[in-house]
Amino acid sequence: GQQVMQIPQYQHVQEGEDFTTYCNSSTTLSNIQWYKQRPGGHPVFLIQLVKSGEVKKQKRLTFQFGEAKKNSSLHITATQTTDVGTYFCAGVWGLNYGGATNKLIFGTGTLLAVQP
Amino acid sequence: GAVVSQHPSWVICKSGTSVKIECRSLDFQATTMFWYRQFPKQSLMLMATSNEGSKATYEQGVEKDKFLINHASLTLSTLTVTSAHPEDSSFYICSANPRTGGDGYTFGSGTRLTVV
Repeated sequence: GQQVMQIPQYQHVQEGEDFTTYCNSSTTLSNIQWYKQRPGGHPVFLIQLVKSGEVKKQKRLTFQFGEAKKNSSLHITATQTTDVGTYFCAGVWGLNYGGATNKLIFGTGTLLAVQP
Repeated sequence: GAVVSQHPSWVICKSGTSVKIECRSLDFQATTMFWYRQFPKQSLMLMATSNEGSKATYEQGVEKDKFLINHASLTLSTLTVTSAHPEDSSFYICSANPRTGGDGYTFGSGTRLTVV
């Protein structure tokens, strides 16, 4: 079946340190999305990657999509306490026209704790 | 931005009773909505895809007679947990793709269900 694994499950860093989470699928993805969920909250969309080898940046966050479109990573430079939360990748297989009907399969998530 | 309103935010019910959870897309039409369940410290597990005007599509292992989904209009989808048991206690959350650029999915705020 469609599964997405993420490592690590949990990471604790000192404020200012970098952080990376990795996402792997056993099969080729159509695209991958990243979400952040704060404790007690709901997932919030961060970014979508579509092209093989794509790299996108959002301020201190860098997202990469692997050449084979089976893996992805999120790297945060110089973490801040506001970065605390669980980061999920979510895979899409077999795009439907229009996109709104494509189901997301969430990765296992990485919980980031940042110590001031 | 696009908003998905989910109610109630929390509910406590007795074993054997049914609970209805509503999700409304406030400023866009959603022909498709997705329902997830999330246990503490775990990922979001897709339960079903709700389709306006037709039957929902359930993921493998999800009992369709226990988790009734109705998508009667372009802005409203409901999930009814029937004959709830303590093991159904979880965080239920819906999502939809507003297709307003960025291709991200918008999530409701979630419903914390506790069955006693």
